[in-house]
Amino acid sequence: NAGVTQTPKFRILKIGQSMTLQCTQDMNHNYMYWYRQDPGMGLKLIYYSVGAGITDKGEVPNGYNVSRSTTEDFPLRLELAAPSQTSVYFCASSYGLGQGVSGANVLTFGAGSRLTVL
Amino acid sequence: DQQVKQNSPSLSVQEGRISILNCDYTNSMFDYFLWYKKYPAEGPTFLISISSIKDKNEDGRFTVFLNKSAKHLSLHIVPSQPGDSAVYFCAASKTGGGNKLTFGTGTQLKVEL
Repeated sequence: NAGVTQTPKFRILKIGQSMTLQCTQDMNHNYMYWYRQDPGMGLKLIYYSVGAGITDKGEVPNGYNVSRSTTEDFPLRLELAAPSQTSVYFCASSYGLGQGVSGANVLTFGAGSRLTVL
Repeated sequence: DQQVKQNSPSLSVQEGRISILNCDYTNSMFDYFLWYKKYPAEGPTFLISISSIKDKNEDGRFTVFLNKSAKHLSLHIVPSQPGDSAVYFCAASKTGGGNKLTFGTGTQLKVEL
């Protein structure tokens, strides 16, 4: 099992450029999440999804967009990149409450994507 | 508004001794708590969790204690090993919250030989 796979691992963007961070999971998890981690800070939730076609904002959604067309994939789109979006981005997934699995509260994280905006 | 706080940015202990990492929370709606471990250039990995209906949960060398009245939890690692050196994040969630986790800022644990 690959778990949660994120691409790219590293990327440098110029101010104003756009890009998409890819995330895919092969665990049949209904729930997926995007977090960002800034130096010395905890992880902050950007967006999450409880199933295909359903997305919702987290704590820090400004400047980002997401889509969830399949159970497996949850891409994060950055429009008009700004230096404040320099961060490490983590995608995660978990079972949903309706999947009848114990330990549904546990999120499995990808290895992260380090983004620098110059 | 930091709802989950880890007030010690770093902790250093000797191999074989006990490591105690602390976490405080302010939101009384949180009912599930987790500890994640993170190595450099990797994603956080789940370590241990506890539901608010319990006050202790053990898994091998790791024990999590929950004091609901004080809104405080702690992670005990006994005995500490050099491979335990990592950043430890405390996280909390609430029922009906879509499993969304609110994280603390992390504690860097260094286990010295």
